[in-house]
Amino acid sequence: GESVGLHLPTLSVQEGDNSIINCAYSNSASDYFIWYKQESGKGPQFIIDIRSNMDKRQGQRVTVLLNKTVKHLSLQIAATQPGDSAVYFCAERSGGSYIPTFGRGTSLIVHP
Amino acid sequence: KAGVTQTPRYLIKTRGQQVTLSCSPISGHRSVSWYQQTPGQGLQFLFEYFSETQRNKGNFPGRFSGRQFSNSRSEMNVSTLELGDSALYLCASSVRDNEQYFGPGTRLTVT
Repeated sequence: GESVGLHLPTLSVQEGDNSIINCAYSNSASDYFIWYKQESGKGPQFIIDIRSNMDKRQGQRVTVLLNKTVKHLSLQIAATQPGDSAVYFCAERSGGSYIPTFGRGTSLIVHP
Repeated sequence: KAGVTQTPRYLIKTRGQQVTLSCSPISGHRSVSWYQQTPGQGLQFLFEYFSETQRNKGNFPGRFSGRQFSNSRSEMNVSTLELGDSALYLCASSVRDNEQYFGPGTRLTVT
């Protein structure tokens, strides 16, 4: 499959555990944030998004938390499954700009 | 509904050559964006096309260009290839500005 990055931060968890993946952003003007999942050999897949007027948003087994004070974003995955193993990216956009800025990614490894 | 398709999936070129990559968006999606993904720089935005017009452009040299056809299919071209152009080139389409759907990418290797 495709290698999406070397020397990525790695999070290893056991199947069934909850996972928390963190992302720090630098642009205080960013007002829209997205989490993507990229499996080997595939393009990034949209997971969940959040706007800056929200602190929390929930999806199916996933929750995104946004702390604008410290410019921090996290993705929580409940009851992590082996199929969740992938690289996870956060992306930010600001001020109506279409151009997203992507984080470096975190590799999540789920052990059965 | 078929996803975003990109051709070819793999490509090997020599320095100085040019290359054209193709992207077919999801039916009904009029916005197509291109990204370059490398281990060193991560995912970087190249440009975005909407209704055959380049609407946004990232910070890449003029050797990188693209176009979009009336059926929303898009091509990107890289001229005078350099070793540093080796990367995974991703195309994404969207019907709204927010949610993008990515293709599997074209792996370009420049030797």
